[in-house]
Amino acid sequence: DQQVKQNSPSLSVQEGRISILNCDYTNSMFDYFLWYKKYPAEGPTFLISISSIKDKNEDGRFTVFLNKSAKHLSLHIVPSQPGDSAVYFCAASEANAGNMLTFGGGTRLMVKP
Amino acid sequence: AAGVIQSPRHLIKEKRETATLKCYPIPRHDTVYWYQQGPGQDPQFLISFYEKMQSDKGSIPDRFSAQQFSDYHSELNMSSLELGDSALYFCASSFGLQKGSSEKLFFGSGTQLSVL
Repeated sequence: DQQVKQNSPSLSVQEGRISILNCDYTNSMFDYFLWYKKYPAEGPTFLISISSIKDKNEDGRFTVFLNKSAKHLSLHIVPSQPGDSAVYFCAASEANAGNMLTFGGGTRLMVKP
Repeated sequence: AAGVIQSPRHLIKEKRETATLKCYPIPRHDTVYWYQQGPGQDPQFLISFYEKMQSDKGSIPDRFSAQQFSDYHSELNMSSLELGDSALYFCASSFGLQKGSSEKLFFGSGTQLSVL
């Protein structure tokens, strides 16, 4: 049973517009959420994270929103740039589980010039 | 800066053979994690080690074993390989186990294992 789901396998956005990537989770014990970005032939790289005590975290063009009641988080990228084209993984970790991450299936973002 | 090194990058094996994947963490990192990503699937946590001791265990089959050595590198040993073991195997490293440091996980580029 998938505990972290990214229901959109792909997303296409025009350069300069906003990209919104969504992630849903089922495990109420998750208390820390992360987004990773992955380019082909490379490992995932950390992008941004949010603790369950917050509902928003912003870092430059990237903002993550967390809605605990809906068990939903989203990553906003604005403005989107062609270099943002990659696969984005949502991940979550559970209290007392160290840094063991549960990943979603990923969303491939394509930003068109 | 040095990153997480995984070897080999690609590995082709036949059913029932054995395979050994290696992971060299970033210098001074003492924690290593192994993840398996099958075709079209999300990465699944297999096992992790902190200071050469197993710290967490995920969905690692009994046919697989792993260890972390005194120099902190780790090896994932896979025996009696099955077709379903074909996947991309990621290793990640970090310093310490403190909660909230997940963003300090640095991933290698992975080893693509193909079992024929």
